[in-house]
Amino acid sequence: TQLLEQSPQFLSIQEGENLTVYCNSSSVFSSLQWYRQEPGEGPVLLVTVVTGGEVKKLKRLTFQFGDARKDSSLHITAAQTGDTGLYLCAGGYQKVTFGTGTKLQVIP
Amino acid sequence: DAGVTQSPTHLIKTRGQHVTLRCSPISGHKSVSWYQQVLGQGPQFIFQYYEKEERGRGNFPDRFSARQFPNYSSELNVNALLLGDSALYLCASSLEPPSGSTDTQYFGPGTRLTVL
Repeated sequence: TQLLEQSPQFLSIQEGENLTVYCNSSSVFSSLQWYRQEPGEGPVLLVTVVTGGEVKKLKRLTFQFGDARKDSSLHITAAQTGDTGLYLCAGGYQKVTFGTGTKLQVIP
Repeated sequence: DAGVTQSPTHLIKTRGQHVTLRCSPISGHKSVSWYQQVLGQGPQFIFQYYEKEERGRGNFPDRFSARQFPNYSSELNVNALLLGDSALYLCASSLEPPSGSTDTQYFGPGTRLTVL
């Protein structure tokens, strides 16, 4: 069974601060996805990383896939209140495995 | 274009009862996956269907079953409900079975099931 552990579990920061969320596994994934989920809604895909060492940027969000394709990170620069939500990493073929989630709260 | 729709939005049942949750995928999507999300945790995979056939099953008891219809909509059935079945049930659709690198999954808003 492939497991994805995320850290930290909870994060409360002031608007304007930077933060990094980690997603780790002992298994190799062909790709990993990052989602954001807001209360009462389903997860929304932010990015898919496919190649080991790959870095993708989405405005203030930077995603990195580890060289060994066992881990990934999400870095947010100058967080805004609109970034508040549950961040989930996920991977796998057909039987998609989701990470444990990081609940981010950005305080104005 | 309409996204993934799920019904009902909320549902309250008592222990031992049966429940049916429904999902309509995005038009043209042939793959539907079901997930259970307990409060504060990430979604857990239950089933994946493609072209009306079960392609994947998660670690859930036989009380959970699903099917996909010719129009690609899907139902998730749960028998003999337990308190621990209380969760948000999410449906996701994609053009083909999720492969990770392609075939983005689009999630519906979920059905919130409460078992008393």
